[in-house]
Amino acid sequence: DQQVKQNSPSLSVQEGRISILNCDYTNSMFDYFLWYKKYPAEGPTFLISISSIKDKNEDGRFTVFLNKSAKHLSLHIVPSQPGDSAVYFCAASAGGTSYGKLTFGQGTILTVHP
Amino acid sequence: EAQVTQNPRYLITVTGKKLTVTCSQNMNHEYMSWYRQDPGLGLRQIYYSMNVEVTDKGDVPEGYKVSRKEKRNFPLILESPSPNQTSLYFCASQHNLFVTDTQYFGPGTRLTVL
Repeated sequence: DQQVKQNSPSLSVQEGRISILNCDYTNSMFDYFLWYKKYPAEGPTFLISISSIKDKNEDGRFTVFLNKSAKHLSLHIVPSQPGDSAVYFCAASAGGTSYGKLTFGQGTILTVHP
Repeated sequence: EAQVTQNPRYLITVTGKKLTVTCSQNMNHEYMSWYRQDPGLGLRQIYYSMNVEVTDKGDVPEGYKVSRKEKRNFPLILESPSPNQTSLYFCASQHNLFVTDTQYFGPGTRLTVL
């Protein structure tokens, strides 16, 4: 049973436009959420996170929004750049003594066209 | 430079031939973990370790073993590999499980079992 789902396998966006990547979760115990970015032949790298006590966290061009009632989070990239082309994974943890036990979504391949 | 290293990066083997994938981190992290990445399934946790001599099963532990004799090393052992263990494997480390810390990933090991 996939507790974290990214229903869009891929997304194609023009440079300079907004990229919106979506993620849904089913486990109500999740209280910490992260986005990782992965380039080919490299390991995932941390991008941005959000705690369940917030509904928005911003870091430069990247903003993560959390809607707890809908069990939904999204990552906005504005403006999108060709270097943002990568696989994006959302992940969740249940907190407490489990912040390292991450449950990942399937990933979304983002392609940003010049 | 803070990093997680894995060896080998690529491995082709045959069914039943025991193998070990090594993982080492230089950040003095207590928590280490192994994941496998498969198409459409994202990253799934195999085993994790909260500290030296403390290991536990993740979501997909069948067919794998681990050990944590030293803080920096966390090898993944496949005693009798089978074709369904063909996958991309990532080792990761984090300061500990009790903080919302960044989890650092190694570059990955692509394993093919014939």
